[in-house]
Amino acid sequence: EDKVVQSPLSLVVHEGDTVTLNCSYEVTNFRSLLWYKQEKKAPTFLFMLTSSGIEKKSGRLSSILDKKELFSILNITATQTGDSAVYLCAYANAGGTSYGKLTFGQGTILTVHP
Amino acid sequence: NAGVMQNPRHLVRRRGQEARLRCSPVKGHSHVYWYRQLPEEGLKFMVYLQKENIIDESGMPKERFSAEFPKEGPSILRIQQVVRGDSAAYFCASSPTVGSYNEQFFGPGTRLTVL
Repeated sequence: EDKVVQSPLSLVVHEGDTVTLNCSYEVTNFRSLLWYKQEKKAPTFLFMLTSSGIEKKSGRLSSILDKKELFSILNITATQTGDSAVYLCAYANAGGTSYGKLTFGQGTILTVHP
Repeated sequence: NAGVMQNPRHLVRRRGQEARLRCSPVKGHSHVYWYRQLPEEGLKFMVYLQKENIIDESGMPKERFSAEFPKEGPSILRIQQVVRGDSAAYFCASSPTVGSYNEQFFGPGTRLTVL
């Protein structure tokens, strides 16, 4: 059965710390892996990764995919209290009627204290 | 340039009533996805629709739940005879095409509370 597992489930840090969030997956028909940030509202898109070993960056956030070992990491450097949120990892299927459907992990709850 | 819109944002129903959740995708998007998020859980796929067609409803409960995306108007997720276990946040997402690597844009969600 296809699945996505995120770790840790929760993380508490202080402002300025660097965090690494993990996402491992088992997918029979992989197309892409996506990261979203969810505060008390809609998940907002962060990154979409399709190729192994190519880092994507946006400000203090970066992410990379390893298609051989079936995992992705999301790094946040110099964390701020505004980074407090649930970070969701999801994969998109390729092929068949599942094409485009996202399967999410359970999320990592990040709390950044001042 | 409006994003995905959902209404109502909050909906309270008593057990046995019907709940109708509406989703207007990003203008020009023809693919709509519904997800459910139970308390303390991740997002779970329910159904994928294109205009006038249900493409994948593998995540939708077989009874009481239905979805449509008519040629005109918003997509509707309908839950008949609601039960307490239906209390959750229901998110809609849209994408312009499935044939390219496009992310899905999420709406703000409808929080359904069943008393």
